[in-house]
Amino acid sequence: EPEVTQTPSHQVTQMGQEVILRCVPISNHLYFYWYRQILGQKVEFLVSFYNNEISEKSEIFDDQFSVERPDGSNFTLKIRSTKLEDSAMYFCASSARDSYGYTFGSGTRLTVV
Amino acid sequence: SQQGEEDPQALSIQEGENATMNCSYKTSINNLQWYRQNSGRGLVHLILIRSNEREKHSGRLRVTLDTSKKSSSLLITASRAADTASYFCATDAQLKGEKLTFGTGTRLTIIP
Repeated sequence: EPEVTQTPSHQVTQMGQEVILRCVPISNHLYFYWYRQILGQKVEFLVSFYNNEISEKSEIFDDQFSVERPDGSNFTLKIRSTKLEDSAMYFCASSARDSYGYTFGSGTRLTVV
Repeated sequence: SQQGEEDPQALSIQEGENATMNCSYKTSINNLQWYRQNSGRGLVHLILIRSNEREKHSGRLRVTLDTSKKSSSLLITASRAADTASYFCATDAQLKGEKLTFGTGTRLTIIP
């Protein structure tokens, strides 16, 4: 069964450093998303991406965040200058044109120290 | 904005019993989905029910949707230890490609 692949599974970074979280969505999917989950809290929407541009973003997705689909297969989330409160599990997801179902990756646990 | 709230927040039952979790939301939806999350792991899609459906089955899972009450329930029959996880409902409002709004989750523990 097709999967959404995320790397790395766990990343530790110092406050103020840039991080790039990587995702490989399912190949025939057209909609891509990033969500995050702070430990013990809800899963929160960050951004959706369609047709090579951001289609929607939340208040969380401020100027420190950016997304890119650099080569037609990878989908990345960049945090330019990490803060302690960015520590969370980050999930990538994708969905197809003709399906309402989403497929989530297994997540990247980001720890900012 | 719509918001999913599950209850109970935590549920412990004996293996073999049925587990029922509920979800309420605030605004009109296009569809509602249930996800499972094992501790510290990813989200696994369980089942999707559309706004014009009232009940759906998948294996040991049964989902109901009452749009007049803006609520849904997830029933897991004949529970197993492996069902121990957190269960979330998630809704989306409009078109395909719409973001999902997740509920707070129910932590289900199955006692062997």
